[in-house]
Amino acid sequence: TQLLEQSPQFLSIQEGENLTVYCNSSSVFSSLQWYRQEPGEGPVLLVTVVTGGEVKKLKRLTFQFGDARKDSSLHITAAQPGDTGLYLCAGRGSSNTGKLIFGQGTTLQVKP
Amino acid sequence: DAGVIQSPRHEVTEMGQEVTLRCKPISGHDYLFWYRQTMMRGLELLIYFNNNVPIDDSGMPEDRFSAKMPNASFSTLKIQPSEPRDSAVYFCASSFLALAAQYFGPGTRLLVL
Repeated sequence: TQLLEQSPQFLSIQEGENLTVYCNSSSVFSSLQWYRQEPGEGPVLLVTVVTGGEVKKLKRLTFQFGDARKDSSLHITAAQPGDTGLYLCAGRGSSNTGKLIFGQGTTLQVKP
Repeated sequence: DAGVIQSPRHEVTEMGQEVTLRCKPISGHDYLFWYRQTMMRGLELLIYFNNNVPIDDSGMPEDRFSAKMPNASFSTLKIQPSEPRDSAVYFCASSFLALAAQYFGPGTRLLVL
């Protein structure tokens, strides 16, 4: 069974601080996605990484896929209160099906 | 364009009752997914369809759960009989291709008393 473990589970920081969220597995994934979910809403896709070692930037957010495609990280620079939410990583197995395996999520609170 | 539509948004029922959750995917999307989210287990895939055909139902917890997709614009997830441990937020998502982005609906918050 493929599992994704996210850390930390909870993070409370002040506006302007930097942070990194990790997503780790012992399994190889063909691709990995990061979603953000706000209270009362469904997850919204932020990015998809496909190639080992790939780095993608989305404004102040930097996403990296590990060389072995078993792990990923999300780094936020100068966090803002609008970044508050639940961040979920989701991996797609090597079978390239529609099935996504989600991590437990990291709840981020950015205080003004 | 309308996103994924789910109804009802909230459902409170008593143990033993039948519950039916409904989903309308984004037009043109061939894949439809049903997920369940709880604090303990996170977001779990229950079942997904391709062109109205169930492809993987390995996440359906037990026989009390069933899902149908009678046409490309409508799907239901039914729980009969419901139990308190079924309390969760149920999400429907759709995508254009198997490997494409999944677009989630707002969810149905189910509470079984």
